[in-house]
Amino acid sequence: AAGVIQSPRHLIKEKRETATLKCYPIPRHDTVYWYQQGPGQDPQFLISFYEKMQSDKGSIPDRFSAQQFSDYHSELNMSSLELGDSALYFCASSARDSPQLVDTQYFGPGTRLTVL
Amino acid sequence: AQKVTQAQTEISVVEKEDVTLDCVYETRDTTYYLFWYKQPPSGELVFLIRRNSFDEQNEISGRYSWNFQKSTSSFNFTITASQVVDSAVYFCALSQGGGATNKLIFGTGTLLAVQP
Repeated sequence: AAGVIQSPRHLIKEKRETATLKCYPIPRHDTVYWYQQGPGQDPQFLISFYEKMQSDKGSIPDRFSAQQFSDYHSELNMSSLELGDSALYFCASSARDSPQLVDTQYFGPGTRLTVL
Repeated sequence: AQKVTQAQTEISVVEKEDVTLDCVYETRDTTYYLFWYKQPPSGELVFLIRRNSFDEQNEISGRYSWNFQKSTSSFNFTITASQVVDSAVYFCALSQGGGATNKLIFGTGTLLAVQP
């Protein structure tokens, strides 16, 4: 079965540079979530999109922005990178069963970002 | 506020032993969803199970079983006859129902090491 695709899998950047992470959800999934997982920590929710509109926002720095495109893929843009941004960034996708139900989120393999 | 507590930071067992991972949650919502995810050393997050707050039926799937008890706000996970391949970090997660926001609130994870 098709899974969530994330690219790149690994990314090394210098401080103050920018980075773009891409996520391709499972076909027919309409919701995308972004999470950040620091070393030895649990994943923290950043932002989500449903039908190309932002549906929720978590602890995402103002330096980060994201969007979901017409083909449902999503991109997380990160600017003025800091050492503390080094983490594993996960994208997850889901299909809304109905507005009253919670869908199951299936995660991609993650993008490991290292800021030097 | 929603919170997930996994009091066991690390568990070490010998192959073929049974092991139970504990999860306690806090929420004021009457409708909510609970999940277990597995994160092996390779880093990906693998969905294991989802439970609705209105469905306390426990489940067994092969060597895995789950015990959901609303009275104690617990959603424990048992692996029977553990194997080395079960070695991973296991995360319990909570999501609010109602469609307002489906973000996952993760516990801090339990590192399970299965020794041969």
